[in-house]
Amino acid sequence: KQEVTQIPAALSVPEGENLVLNCSFTDSAIYNLQWFRQDPGKGLTSLLLIQSSQREQTSGRLNASLDKSSGRSTLYIAASQPGDSATYLCAARAAGNKLTFGGGTRVLVKP
Amino acid sequence: DADVTQTPRNRITKTGKRIMLECSQTKGHDRMYWYRQDPGLGLRLIYYSFDVKDINKGEISDGYSVSRQAQAKFSLSLESAIPNQTALYFCATSDATGIGQETQYFGPGTRLLVL
Repeated sequence: KQEVTQIPAALSVPEGENLVLNCSFTDSAIYNLQWFRQDPGKGLTSLLLIQSSQREQTSGRLNASLDKSSGRSTLYIAASQPGDSATYLCAARAAGNKLTFGGGTRVLVKP
Repeated sequence: DADVTQTPRNRITKTGKRIMLECSQTKGHDRMYWYRQDPGLGLRLIYYSFDVKDINKGEISDGYSVSRQAQAKFSLSLESAIPNQTALYFCATSDATGIGQETQYFGPGTRLLVL
């Protein structure tokens, strides 16, 4: 059974600092890995999706890497801003085409 | 207008009551999902449907049932609510663009409190 873990559960950084969010998964036989952002009172918004054949994906200040062999993905957010404060979740898609979510990392960017 | 809507957004109910959470989507997607989220935990899949005639159990379906009334509507029912069903419930949709390509789109969530 796939298990997805995100450590730390919470993170606080000053504005301008780069953010590094970690995601680990136990079953490396994944189709893809997806990063989501969750804001209070709102649903999840997809940020990046990395296919199993890819090593990384970039979108603006966001960069996500994937290392299947070690069961890890990392989301980098460059030059963080207060508007980046949210909870970030990763999810792995494996057999059965279902998503398994991590518990999330709650990020606070202080002005 | 939001592509995926959920009603109600908040609900307080008592133990033993039957309640229904509704989800509607305007994205034209065939696939719909219901998840629950508990504090500090990721989303866990309750039920999913790949088309109107297809209903499948997720990892935590006990105590829940669903109805896919149309392509755009997918309802979740708690037959007899209990306090440990207090959680944030999300509906999601996706289109079947092939394994590995699918992206899910989420509604804003329904916060349920069972007393």
